Amino acid sequence: GQQLNQSPQSMFIQEGEDVSMNCTSSSIFNTWLWYKQDPGEGPVLLIALYKAGELTSNGRLTAQFGITRKDSFLNISASIPSDVGIYFCAGSSGYSTLTFGKGTMLLVSP
Amino acid sequence: NAGVTQTPKFRVLKTGQSMTLLCAQDMNHEYMYWYRQDPGMGLRLIHYSVGEGTTAKGEVPDGYNVSRLKKQNFLLGLESAAPSQTSVYFCASSYSRRAGTKQYFGPGTRLTVT
Repeated sequence: GQQLNQSPQSMFIQEGEDVSMNCTSSSIFNTWLWYKQDPGEGPVLLIALYKAGELTSNGRLTAQFGITRKDSFLNISASIPSDVGIYFCAGSSGYSTLTFGKGTMLLVSP
Repeated sequence: NAGVTQTPKFRVLKTGQSMTLLCAQDMNHEYMYWYRQDPGMGLRLIHYSVGEGTTAKGEVPDGYNVSRLKKQNFLLGLESAAPSQTSVYFCASSYSRRAGTKQYFGPGTRLTVT
């Protein structure tokens, strides 16, 4: 099946720092989605990407659909304590179900 | 509009017991999914449904059964629970299965099998 490698596995940063994480796939995707999961909650969709090269922002979050269609990147600028959580990438193509990465755990120190 | 809801939120079972997890959505979505989340493993698809009365296997279907008798509900059953099924279970729904369709998740059910 399709494999998604998400990195880093975890990050511990200071409030105010910028954060970058990425996902790479063994196959081409037509869609990349980025989710955030707060502790004890279900994943919530942050950003959806539909075209190679696309750059989309949601507040302090910016995500990019890689031009090879096999990777995607998420950046968080000026992190705050409420950014704490697990960030998941997910990809799909055609009528396939979503494939999820294993997540990046983000911890932010005030 | 409650979105996706799951019951129960927590459950403890003994090995060999059975139980059913209920997922309900009020967004009139055609597609529904059951995932399990284990530490370091991300979200893995158990079963999914492309419409009322239809179900299909996902990545890790063994030990689980599902039913979609009504469009808004998707049930996940464990006939004989095993400790390996200790996990957090998430239900999700989407209006389509085409690439680009966003899935919306419920709050999860935390299941412990002793």
